[in-house]
Amino acid sequence: KNQVEQSPQSLIILEGKNCTLQCNYTVSPFSNLRWYKQDTGRGPVSLTIMTFSENTKSNGRYTATLDADTKQSSLHITASQLSDSASYICVTSGGSYIPTFGRGTSLIVHP
Amino acid sequence: SQTIHQWPATLVQPVGSPLSLECTVEGTSNPNLYWYRQAAGRGLQLLFYSIGIDQISSEVPQNLSASRPQDRQFILSSKKLLLSDSGFYLCAWRIASLHFGNGTRLTVT
Repeated sequence: KNQVEQSPQSLIILEGKNCTLQCNYTVSPFSNLRWYKQDTGRGPVSLTIMTFSENTKSNGRYTATLDADTKQSSLHITASQLSDSASYICVTSGGSYIPTFGRGTSLIVHP
Repeated sequence: SQTIHQWPATLVQPVGSPLSLECTVEGTSNPNLYWYRQAAGRGLQLLFYSIGIDQISSEVPQNLSASRPQDRQFILSSKKLLLSDSGFYLCAWRIASLHFGNGTRLTVT
């Protein structure tokens, strides 16, 4: 069964600090993995997308890594800002029409 | 560029009333279309998806139905709303990866 597990479930950090969110997946076959940011009351917005052959992808202060051998991905946020407070969702796509979602990590950045 | 429009943004409806949420996509052809629901503080639950006009797959037995009368139009409906239908509804389109609308906050009173 395709599954995506994210950790931690929630995280509180101080503004300016770095943090790393984790995503483990068991999706097969694997096509790509996306990290989304979802602000409260809004639709998720894509941060990064990685295919099987990509190890690292950056988008400003967001850096995603992918290890296709261990089926793990991480999202690293550098120098966090208050606006980074949101839910971060890991989504994998494979051979079916239905992407597999993680439950998300809720990040709160305090001043 | 591709865009997705979803409306209304918020909706308050009494129990037993009908529902119609609409989603349209611009700038692409023959996308896969999806309706998700998200309860407060929870993950996204897939309700329906469509790979073509009039082709609808239901993932969860619901008080809801979906239709795709045109290639880039996806409609979520209900004949009689229940309190449990309250939630945040998201439409999405996909060619290679998912792109979401801004969602509709539905409150059934």
